[in-house]
Amino acid sequence: QVQLVQSGGEVKKPGASVKVSCKASGYTFINYGLSWIRQAPGGRLEWMGWISAFNGNTDYAQNLRGRVTMTTDKSTTSGYMELRSLRSDDTAVYYCARDTPFYTGVPLLDVWGQGTVVSVS
Amino acid sequence: VVMTQSPLSLPVTLGQPASISCTSSQNLVYSDGKIYLNWFLQRPGQSPRRLIYKVSNRDPGVPDRFTGSGSGTTFTLKISRVEAEDVGVYYCMQGTDWPRTFGQGTRLE
Repeated sequence: QVQLVQSGGEVKKPGASVKVSCKASGYTFINYGLSWIRQAPGGRLEWMGWISAFNGNTDYAQNLRGRVTMTTDKSTTSGYMELRSLRSDDTAVYYCARDTPFYTGVPLLDVWGQGTVVSVS
Repeated sequence: VVMTQSPLSLPVTLGQPASISCTSSQNLVYSDGKIYLNWFLQRPGQSPRRLIYKVSNRDPGVPDRFTGSGSGTTFTLKISRVEAEDVGVYYCMQGTDWPRTFGQGTRLE
């Protein structure tokens, strides 16, 4: 079945970097993209950015530009989200979700990963 | 685009109806004439799950007691008869404009 499986939880110190992976299966990876969304403890969902698995195009939330990089690997059908210069307010559950392969395409977010807890302390 | 939900907390009795409102700071009609407004449910301890896409289309497996409606800047999710499995936080999200934005969430309890 269609699923996204994320890497395990991380504990990081302020100033460090974290890289979360998202392994896709059950569908043709390059026909879609991935969005990354995070949720601070007790908070709302915050969209972080999007990457096309088709052509590698990206778009990042303005408040994260310069600190976040999203990539994909077609050979392993995986997506990656790296966040640098971590601060305590980056503590959150990080989700990947299937999305459109094109910037002008139909937004999806129809399949979500199980989430990865990142704690910065 | 700022998405605003109300109420933020919604106590309900099993078997009774429930309604959640979501308003956007801009008209969500895209250049193709469609409105990209989705609804998600996040059950306790789980990832969000999409229930409704493009205002009123139910995802596979979503019971027909869930109904989405609306246009322009005002949208509603209605549950005709609440069941125990409906408990959780409901989010609206717009995908018409970048960045994608979510409402604050409505806790159904």
